[in-house]
Amino acid sequence: SQKIEQNSEALNIQEGKTATLTCNYTNYSPAYLQWYRQDPGRGPVFLLLIRENEKEKRKERLKVTFDTTLKQSLFHITASQPADSATYLCALARGSTLGRLYFGRGTQLTVWP
Amino acid sequence: NAGVTQTPKFRILKIGQSMTLQCTQDMNHNYMYWYRQDPGMGLKLIYYSVGAGITDKGEVPNGYNVSRSTTEDFPLRLELAAPSQTSVYFCASVKTHGGASSYEQYFGPGTRLTVT
Repeated sequence: SQKIEQNSEALNIQEGKTATLTCNYTNYSPAYLQWYRQDPGRGPVFLLLIRENEKEKRKERLKVTFDTTLKQSLFHITASQPADSATYLCALARGSTLGRLYFGRGTQLTVWP
Repeated sequence: NAGVTQTPKFRILKIGQSMTLQCTQDMNHNYMYWYRQDPGMGLKLIYYSVGAGITDKGEVPNGYNVSRSTTEDFPLRLELAAPSQTSVYFCASVKTHGGASSYEQYFGPGTRLTVT
C-alpha cells in the first residue's frame, strides 16, 4: 500500500525565515502531488499541485519541488509570518486512480515573532 | 457559491445508534469524497463517488454506507455506531476535466462525531 511520511510532526521557526517541510513516499510513483493547509477545527484548503513531470512550482511565497528519484517533495514558505502557522498536509494521487488522494499525517508549523 | 456544506457540525451518538452525515456541494463537481481524520493523523478515505449513481470503497469503508442519487448530495450513513467511529468527518468534491484538471479538492467544514 502507499505510504506517505511527512518529516516531522512539528516545526517551529522564527518569523522571516524560510520554512521547509518534507514529504516522502514509497511504492507507487504518483501522477501528481498536492499540498494543503489545515487550520484547527477547519477543513483542509488546497495550496499547490505539482505533476510527476514537473520539478518545481511557485505561488507567491510558496514553492514546491518534486524529486521522483528521491521520492520526495519539499514545500517551502519564504519570509514566513505568524499567520502561516497551521498544519500542512501532503497528498498524492496515483495514475491509475486520478482524483483519489492518499494523505500524510501533516506537519504542524508554528512561526513565532 | 456556498461550496461544500456539511451537517451537523457536532453530534454525540450512543453505541449502536445510527445516523446520516449530510454533504452538499453547489459547484457542479462530479467527484465527491468522504474522509475521516483522527487526532494527529492524516485523512483516511472512507468512500468516494465519480458521479451520480457510482460509488466505491476507500481505505476504511467498514461500518459506513453511501449513496449518490444526485450530483449535489453525497450522504454518509453510519449503522450501529461504535466508539472506533469517533472522529472528525470531512466531505470533499472535485471538478475533473480529464487530463488538464488540477484535481483540487474542496473540503467542507467537517462534522465532529463522538460515540459513547
